[in-house]
Amino acid sequence: EPEVTQTPSHQVTQMGQEVILRCVPISNHLYFYWYRQILGQKVEFLVSFYNNEISEKSEIFDDQFSVERPDGSNFTLKIRSTKLEDSAMYFCASSEERKPQHFGDGTRLSIL
Amino acid sequence: RKEVEQDPGPFNVPEGATVAFNCTYSNSASQSFFWYRQDCRKEPKLLMSVYSSGNEDGRFTAQLNRASQYISLLIRDSKLSDSATYLCVVNFNAGNNRKLIWGLGTSLAVNP
Repeated sequence: EPEVTQTPSHQVTQMGQEVILRCVPISNHLYFYWYRQILGQKVEFLVSFYNNEISEKSEIFDDQFSVERPDGSNFTLKIRSTKLEDSAMYFCASSEERKPQHFGDGTRLSIL
Repeated sequence: RKEVEQDPGPFNVPEGATVAFNCTYSNSASQSFFWYRQDCRKEPKLLMSVYSSGNEDGRFTAQLNRASQYISLLIRDSKLSDSATYLCVVNFNAGNNRKLIWGLGTSLAVNP
């Protein structure tokens, strides 16, 4: 069964550094998403992406965050200057139109 | 009122028991409803979509009551492998299934 893949599985970064989280969505999917989950808290929507542009973003997704689909397969989330509170699991998801979203197994981001 | 609210549990049940989870949502314009399952420190995995007429998948039955803005999940003949957190998820957007709003989850432990 096709799956969403994310790299790295764990990223440790110093506060203030930039980090890029990578995702390869399922190949025939057109909608892409990033979510995060702080330890012990609920999953939170960050951003959705369709047709090479952001279709919706949450309040969390401020100017420090950006997304990109640099080629036909990758979908990246960049955090420009990381803060301690950015420590979380970051999940990428993708979907076909009007279908449920499928999630990657996440990147654990630890900010020191 | 929280957008999606669930009893966090934990629910501790013996193998073979029937267990029911409830969820309420605040936005009456919600369009799509799902139950996801999340194992400890893993990604959410779609368990089932929830349809207006109610739907069943093996031992799992989901119900939706739009008037009461209430969703339920029933697990019959519970197995040890059912131990996980069950996440109630709602999509407020019509059509393109973009932003998912998540409950905090209900923790289930099935004991031998």
